[in-house]
Amino acid sequence: DTEVTQTPKHLVMGMTNKKSLKCEQHMGHRAMYWYKQKAKKPPELMFVYSYEKLSINESVPSRFSPECPNSSLLNLHLHALQPEDSALYLCASSQVLTRSTDTQYFGPGTRLTVL
Amino acid sequence: GQQVMQIPQYQHVQEGEDFTTYCNSSTTLSNIQWYKQRPGGHPVFLIQLVKSGEVKKQKRLTFQFGEAKKNSSLHITATQTTDVGTYFCAANFGNEKLTFGTGTRLTIIP
Repeated sequence: DTEVTQTPKHLVMGMTNKKSLKCEQHMGHRAMYWYKQKAKKPPELMFVYSYEKLSINESVPSRFSPECPNSSLLNLHLHALQPEDSALYLCASSQVLTRSTDTQYFGPGTRLTVL
Repeated sequence: GQQVMQIPQYQHVQEGEDFTTYCNSSTTLSNIQWYKQRPGGHPVFLIQLVKSGEVKKQKRLTFQFGEAKKNSSLHITATQTTDVGTYFCAANFGNEKLTFGTGTRLTIIP
């Protein structure tokens, strides 16, 4: 099983709402990632978890709050977002987090619209 | 910051023609990966290149890593409609992160 699943597929939220994005993998991977992708742009790294601990935060605004409850799950909590945060949010996983980087397996993404 | 330039931004080819996309870095890379993203889809891993001058083939796709490990290319021979999508290189500069190139969007004229 090389699948990364993400829910929901689509999300529309207001600027005062609180919502969460979920990501799950059952490949035994110990590194998990959140990326943001705007239309016609490459994915931009937001956060990296390694062995359930936050390893990299790419200076992401605090209105995005990641959480890794266990080795299979990764959440992204959203609060007080801005319309410019509308994007495709991609989760990815790899076997481990190393300096040479492993193959990353991407989920289908959550398409977020902030009104 | 560490950046990877990818050209061209767009490529329209007649079905059956060849296609090439290039990635360049001013800094030596630890390795480089290539991903394909279909319209409305998510990035899917294609290949990883690690060694200087490495060449790998997958059916009609040929991937090259430059001798100086600063550039890479993806060449598709005799394109088919299933090749449509955006091709990204993703570079590793010796840290735990991938830096994606800007991508090349390939469209096929049947």
